[in-house]
Amino acid sequence: DAGVIQSPRHEVTEMGQEVTLRCKPISGHNSLFWYRQTMMRGLELLIYFNNNVPIDDSGMPEDRFSAKMPNASFSTLKIQPSEPRDSAVYFCASSLDRGGYEKLFFGSGTQLSVL
Amino acid sequence: SQELEQSPQSLIVQEGKNLTINCTSSKTLYGLYWYKQKYGEGLIFLMMLQKGGEEKSHEKITAKLDEKKQQSSLHITASQPSHAGIYLCGATGENTGFQKLVFGTGTRLLVSP
Repeated sequence: DAGVIQSPRHEVTEMGQEVTLRCKPISGHNSLFWYRQTMMRGLELLIYFNNNVPIDDSGMPEDRFSAKMPNASFSTLKIQPSEPRDSAVYFCASSLDRGGYEKLFFGSGTQLSVL
Repeated sequence: SQELEQSPQSLIVQEGKNLTINCTSSKTLYGLYWYKQKYGEGLIFLMMLQKGGEEKSHEKITAKLDEKKQQSSLHITASQPSHAGIYLCGATGENTGFQKLVFGTGTRLLVSP
């Protein structure tokens, strides 16, 4: 199994630019999560999808952030316009929701630096 | 909202020594997960506990969930350099939904030779 695949691994951009992070979940998984990790705030849940439908986006910082899941094998997290305070490691995770407690499988993350 | 506090925040132990990391919740824990993260990498699942008083072990790592289900501990026996990393507890609560994990602040572990 290839695991959760995220791209790019590293992204450096200038303030005001649009940034798109990509995620391919594990095949067969029906839940997908976007997390953000910083030294100050730790690991924060931004949004999660179940069967491609956004279930809870209460963690999305503001309107500059948007996430989509057009199909079961692909999701994007977009920041437009980006700001230096968005610099962080963004993780995607997936799981198989069978109505109980299931473990999340994490990707290797995207290190985002906004200058 | 549910909050998880981990202690200690960081820990340096000599190789071969035992250590314990704690995770305390502000609310009842319905599913408690332990993950390990190495620098520059994603999180690796270690164990998941559900029932009060439950204890699980894998190799030299043991995790427990107390009877009241508001605290969990992770114990490493005879630590090795390979145990170094960041340990995070994550939890689901009745008000977050089974699949929505919130994470603690993390404990950074260094194992010195």
